[in-house]
Amino acid sequence: NAGVTQTPKFQVLKTGQSMTLQCAQDMNHNSMYWYRQDPGMGLRLIYYSASEGTTDKGEVPNGYNVSRLNKREFSLRLESAAPSQTSVYFCASSRDRVETQYFGPGTRLLVL
Amino acid sequence: KQEVTQIPAALSVPEGENLVLNCSFTDSAIYNLQWFRQDPGKGLTSLLLIQSSQREQTSGRLNASLDKSSGRSTLYIAASQPGDSATYLCAYQTSGSRLTFGEGTQLTVNP
Repeated sequence: NAGVTQTPKFQVLKTGQSMTLQCAQDMNHNSMYWYRQDPGMGLRLIYYSASEGTTDKGEVPNGYNVSRLNKREFSLRLESAAPSQTSVYFCASSRDRVETQYFGPGTRLLVL
Repeated sequence: KQEVTQIPAALSVPEGENLVLNCSFTDSAIYNLQWFRQDPGKGLTSLLLIQSSQREQTSGRLNASLDKSSGRSTLYIAASQPGDSATYLCAYQTSGSRLTFGEGTQLTVNP
């Protein structure tokens, strides 16, 4: 039982490049989330998907797009990376919206 | 704006000591409060979830309490061990999906 997996683990991008962060969960959870973690700012919600087929903006959605591909997978896309998007990105899932969230190991992104 | 405050920011204790980590929050309409542990370079591990109707939850050597009226939660760790060294984060959830996190308490337990 892998829980929540994320790929890649590390990535370096140049300003303006695009990339997609992948997340998958094998717990049959309905809800999935993307957070970013920055020093002095804590973890902040970027986007979430309360259930398959729905997505909603979180606290810091600008510069990102998401796709809930199916119940298992929730991807985060940076269309034109900026240095301000240098961060650690975490995916999480929960059985329903107000239950315990389980986190993946994170993706460390550096935008030069 | 600081919605969740965790005090202290860092704590160093000798092995075997009992300790308390504090979390205060400004939103009175919370649905639940969760405590997480984060090891360096790793993701978050859920420790305890307290529903707004509950006063406390226990798991092994951990006990978390919640006082909604005062906007406070505490995480009590009994008989601390070096393996407890990590950053401890509290986060509350309202009726929406968003978890609002504090910045954490970095705990070091010295052998």
